[in-house]
Amino acid sequence: SAVISQKPSRDICQRGTSLTIQCQVDSQVTMMFWYRQQPGQSLTLIATANQGSEATYESGFVIDKFPISRPNLTFSTLTVSNMSPEDSSIYLCSAQGGGTYGYTFGSGTRLTVV
Amino acid sequence: GESVGLHLPTLSVQEGDNSIINCAYSNSASDYFIWYKQESGKGPQFIIDIRSNMDKRQGQRVTVLLNKTVKHLSLQIAATQPGDSAVYFCAEGSGTASKLTFGTGTRLQVTL
Repeated sequence: SAVISQKPSRDICQRGTSLTIQCQVDSQVTMMFWYRQQPGQSLTLIATANQGSEATYESGFVIDKFPISRPNLTFSTLTVSNMSPEDSSIYLCSAQGGGTYGYTFGSGTRLTVV
Repeated sequence: GESVGLHLPTLSVQEGDNSIINCAYSNSASDYFIWYKQESGKGPQFIIDIRSNMDKRQGQRVTVLLNKTVKHLSLQIAATQPGDSAVYFCAEGSGTASKLTFGTGTRLQVTL
């Protein structure tokens, strides 16, 4: 199954600044996904990142706030822009690469905005 | 400390007993369902999946049951071990390489 390296693992950021999270997959994958997991809650999909095209955002998430890059089939970034304390959360990337339908996840980025 | 699972429903099981974790899904058109385990400070880890045309699938110490009539999914863990303590999520999807929708999750606590 695919292995995803995600970094940074955690960060504490000042409000108003931006943070870029990187995910590297050890094999080529068609689609990558970015999720947010707020404290004590389940995973909510932010967007689907396709190589060579713009990301597709879910309701409630916009490109200006969460710009995504997907320059090749093994790499993607998510930027959390103009951060506020409400953006404090765990951010996870995912790609299909394990099991019949199994989607592999990175280890997550724990973001705290102060 | 770890925040995942703090506000989720909790299932407490004694070591060696069997665990049953339940999930209600929303989309009757979903093609497949996946169970994930999430330990503190880690991303979700794939456990087992099942296609919508099946009602049961077994893995190592785990069994997934699917009841499409009532849109219910369950994960059974045999002989639960302390290492099984984690938050468990079900997820549903359709098509290939499509997005997953996650359930609310259950925290499994194994007592000695």
